[in-house]
Order: sequence, then structure tokens, then C-alpha cells
Amino acid sequence: DAKTTQPPSMDCAEGRAANLPCNHSTISGNEYVYWYRQIHSQGPQYIIHGLKNNETNEMASLIITEDRKSSTLILPHATLRDTAVYYCIVRISPMEYGNKLVFGAGTILRVKS
Amino acid sequence: GAVVSQHPSWVICKSGTSVKIECRSLDFQATTMFWYRQFPKQSLMLMATSNEGSKATYEQGVEKDKFLINHASLTLSTLTVTSAHPEDSSFYICSARASGASYNEQFFGPGTRLTVL
Repeated sequence: DAKTTQPPSMDCAEGRAANLPCNHSTISGNEYVYWYRQIHSQGPQYIIHGLKNNETNEMASLIITEDRKSSTLILPHATLRDTAVYYCIVRISPMEYGNKLVFGAGTILRVKS
Repeated sequence: GAVVSQHPSWVICKSGTSVKIECRSLDFQATTMFWYRQFPKQSLMLMATSNEGSKATYEQGVEKDKFLINHASLTLSTLTVTSAHPEDSSFYICSARASGASYNEQFFGPGTRLTVL
């Protein structure tokens, strides 16, 4: 699976949009971009995933650049409960053999009032 | 959404004893379950992958005789830390993959914090 690079930490004001970048310059054509988050002392939570088109769900939006070498996770109106470590993971299709999620260091997002 | 539970949520044990951690998929059948370990201020590290009815596949550097994994049914996997030592103190997290699921197919448990005295 391709390697990802994320900033170690970011701050965001409550109510503002949080934009978390991820660099995955070695991504292959069949690799998806996944985002998970982990609130302190809890298990990771799935947020969103995409292949090449932008995606949106009730939690967040995922913007993938045209060359797919980077992406941005957007939390439109961050709340204090969004304070967590956010992991960007690139992996092949989940239906492929192996199906492992490999976590990097992630970005610590601190939402401040 | 799919729910994965772990029991116990935390455990304290003496050095040299064995500890069993259970991971259950509550509302779906899980053909594959994964076990992770997380040390303070570090990311999750995959320990092993277990498929129902077969032996677990361990990641490089993980001692299979020390971390015994049993996936006897489609809803239950157990991790036994044998002869635990203080360096085994960690946060253990399982995840389960639903049978036949596509994208959002891995669901994580809340984790078990193990402290070995």
C-alpha cells in the first residue's frame, strides 16, 4: 500500500471548517483513500473513503486532487467532539486479498472554543 | 451501524499471568478479525489477522506463542496474552470485517487497556 504523509498536528476554531491534508504521491490507480479518526482511548472510527471523485457524507467531505497525489478531509463545522487523531490511509480495493488497514502517525486535530 | 464489542475494557494483572481479551461482532458475522496494539502516543500497530476456523496470520515481529488468537465462530475472536510482562502493557484494539461487505467493511471495537504490574 502507498505511504501517506500528514502534518503531525493542527488547531481549528470551534464552528469553523477543519481542513486536514494528506499527501499520497505514490498512490496507484487501484488504491483508495480512506480516512479514520480515533478519539482519545477509543477505537478508530471510519469517516469516509474515495477513489478519484470527491465524496461527501454526513460526517465530512473528501477532496481528491485530479492527479490523486493528495487529498483533503473537510469537517465543515468542527465541534469540540471532533478533537481526535485523524488517519489518512491508502489501500487497495477492500475486496482484494489481505484487506489490512495500516495506520500511520496521523494528524492530531485540536478544536478550540 | 455495525457494532464490535471488547471485553474487558480494562484489566490489571500480575507479571507472569495470562490475560484473555474477547472481541465480538454484535450484529453481523465477521469472517475476518484483526488485532492491533497501541502504545501511548503512538499509532495502531497491526498484530495479526484471524479468519474464522483457521490459524491466525501474524505480522512480522509478533510472537504467535505469546499472543494466542482464536477465531472459533463468526462473531467471536479472542486474544490471549500469555505470561504477560510489564512491556505488554498496552491498548489492544480489535476490528471485524463483515462477511460480503464492500467499502465500509471494517468496524473497530472500543479497545482493552492492559496493565501488567
